[in-house]
Amino acid sequence: QQQVKQSPQSLIVQKGGISIINCAYENTAFDYFPWYQQFPGKGPALLIAIRPDVSEKKEGRFTISFNKSAKQFSLHIMDSQPGDSATYFCRQATCEKLTFGTGTRLTIIP
Amino acid sequence: DSGVTQTPKHLITATGQRVTLRCSPRSGDLSVYWYQQSLDQGLQFLIQYYNGEERAKGNILERFSAQQFPDLHSELNLSSLELGDSALYFCASSIPLTGANYGYTFGSGTRLTVV
Repeated sequence: QQQVKQSPQSLIVQKGGISIINCAYENTAFDYFPWYQQFPGKGPALLIAIRPDVSEKKEGRFTISFNKSAKQFSLHIMDSQPGDSATYFCRQATCEKLTFGTGTRLTIIP
Repeated sequence: DSGVTQTPKHLITATGQRVTLRCSPRSGDLSVYWYQQSLDQGLQFLIQYYNGEERAKGNILERFSAQQFPDLHSELNLSSLELGDSALYFCASSIPLTGANYGYTFGSGTRLTVV
């Protein structure tokens, strides 16, 4: 299976700081890059998504930046809050066989 | 509530046994996907059904099988269970067949423990 490589695996950020999670992809045939947020004991939930024809999308404190030449897209969480502590997954949405990224466990500390 | 219902929430069973996990998709969604999430692991795609037919397969073991019924609910059957099958099993649903699955909604999962 083609992979989506996600980094870092874990991240600790102070409250109010900026959290940045990166994903590098291989498959250039795509139409959609979503990010999912998963809290313990819950299923992942769609957080924000970007299409490849735009370089950035912002929704509240969450921003996706897309770098087509580097085959990379990133999630930025501004003014990070304790409630943002969760696991974040990226994936490419074209082929259903593609696996999600391995996830980033984000912890926001006071 | 996401609209995707998975039962049971928890399941404890012995090695060698067989279990069935059930998923009811969100109303109107035709596609059902099954994922496995082991401890500290990502989401591994197992299989997808669309309107009753198998559409895509991932890293699903031969001991595992699934089906989608006419009412669109789906079941994942796991047999000859091994300790390593202990994991969270998620079901997700979406309207379209593939690709732009913007309405990709996950259930809360079934936690399977094999002892």
